Amino acid sequence: GAVVSQHPSWVICKSGTSVKIECRSLDFQATTMFWYRQFPKQSLMLMATSNEGSKATYEQGVEKDKFLINHASLTLSTLTVTSAHPEDSSFYICSASGLAANEQFFGPGTRLTVL
Amino acid sequence: DAKTTQPTSMDCAEGRAANLPCNHSTISGNEYVYWYRQIHSQGPQYIIHGLKNNETNEMASLIITEDRKSSTLILPHATLRDTAVYYCIVIRVGGSEKLVFGKGTKLTVNP
Repeated sequence: GAVVSQHPSWVICKSGTSVKIECRSLDFQATTMFWYRQFPKQSLMLMATSNEGSKATYEQGVEKDKFLINHASLTLSTLTVTSAHPEDSSFYICSASGLAANEQFFGPGTRLTVL
Repeated sequence: DAKTTQPTSMDCAEGRAANLPCNHSTISGNEYVYWYRQIHSQGPQYIIHGLKNNETNEMASLIITEDRKSSTLILPHATLRDTAVYYCIVIRVGGSEKLVFGKGTKLTVNP
């Protein structure tokens, strides 16, 4: 199957700083990428959908000015958590779609801890 | 909200078949049934999907009832590495549509 990578795999930052997470499709062109957040013992919650070259579509309740998403190329999307706070600590997972309709491939996730 | 219901947890003995049920009674004719699993602290992994026919691949088999209101994922010979949360998701045919994850079934394979 297609491979999606995320970087970093884990990050610890101080409250008030910004953190950027990268999501890359390694062997295919991803026209659409999705960003999810997962709190401990909970399911994945979709945060936003991004299409290459256009603005991301955010789910209800997700602050677009806090979670900046850029999908500038067909192989890279970034999520920037601005002015991070401890409540933003979570497991962030991206997925990419592009090979075929409804095929989504997930990255390994990024564990963010905000102190 | 997720359009599927699954048992919260299941146990299975290593080497035996694991049968994971999913109810999707409101599924539409143009919606597929997809199964993903998530091993602890990893991203979800695609397993299998189907529309109305039964499907089999190297990982699992998917049995969909004739009325399409429920399905069963079968892991024929479960191993300890199959311990994970299994998600059943329905999604419309065509296009890149967002996946709505429910709570899934936590499968524990015991030695």
